[in-house]
Amino acid sequence: DQQVKQNSPSLSVQEGRISILNCDYTNSMFDYFLWYKKYPAEGPTFLISISSIKDKNEDGRFTVFLNKSAKHLSLHIVPSQPGDSAVYFCAASDFNDMRFGAGTRLTVKP
Amino acid sequence: DTGVSQNPRHKITKRGQNVTFRCDPISEHNRLYWYRQTLGQGPEFLTYFQNEAQLEKSRLLSDRFSAERPKGSFSTLEIQRTEQGDSAMYLCASSLAGAGETQYFGPGTRLLVL
Repeated sequence: DQQVKQNSPSLSVQEGRISILNCDYTNSMFDYFLWYKKYPAEGPTFLISISSIKDKNEDGRFTVFLNKSAKHLSLHIVPSQPGDSAVYFCAASDFNDMRFGAGTRLTVKP
Repeated sequence: DTGVSQNPRHKITKRGQNVTFRCDPISEHNRLYWYRQTLGQGPEFLTYFQNEAQLEKSRLLSDRFSAERPKGSFSTLEIQRTEQGDSAMYLCASSLAGAGETQYFGPGTRLLVL
């Protein structure tokens, strides 16, 4: 059962433009959401998170938006840089359980 | 380096052999998780420990898989009688239990079963 879905397997953007990665979830019990970034041959690296009591969290170039009614979250990266090229996983958790999406491969072209 | 570490980073084995992986979590973290990741998929939960207690196991964790965390610090994941379908990246993560819990991942162990 895929409780967390990332429907875009890949995304390509030009350097300096905005990257928007999307994620949908089905379990209304999830109350904490995270984005991880993964380079080849490495484990996922924590990027940014958001609690269900908020609808936006910003950290430098990265902003996560949460729409609880739509069960949707998105990660905005602006401006995008070539070093942002990686696979991005969204994750959703309740107290005991964390589920991951299948990932979106972001390519930022110089 | 005070992050999560995993050993070995790579393991090639023949079908039917047993393998064991080790994870050393961030020292003050009381929770430790094991995940499996295959190509094109996100990490899939296998099991987790709070201190030395194994609190949850996924149905993905067949009888051939066993995990331990004997002293509530490092953990081992053993796969007995490996099968080709066990080939994957095995990820370990650790966290501090609580609301807004963030898991921090190790670099993973890539297993190839021939």
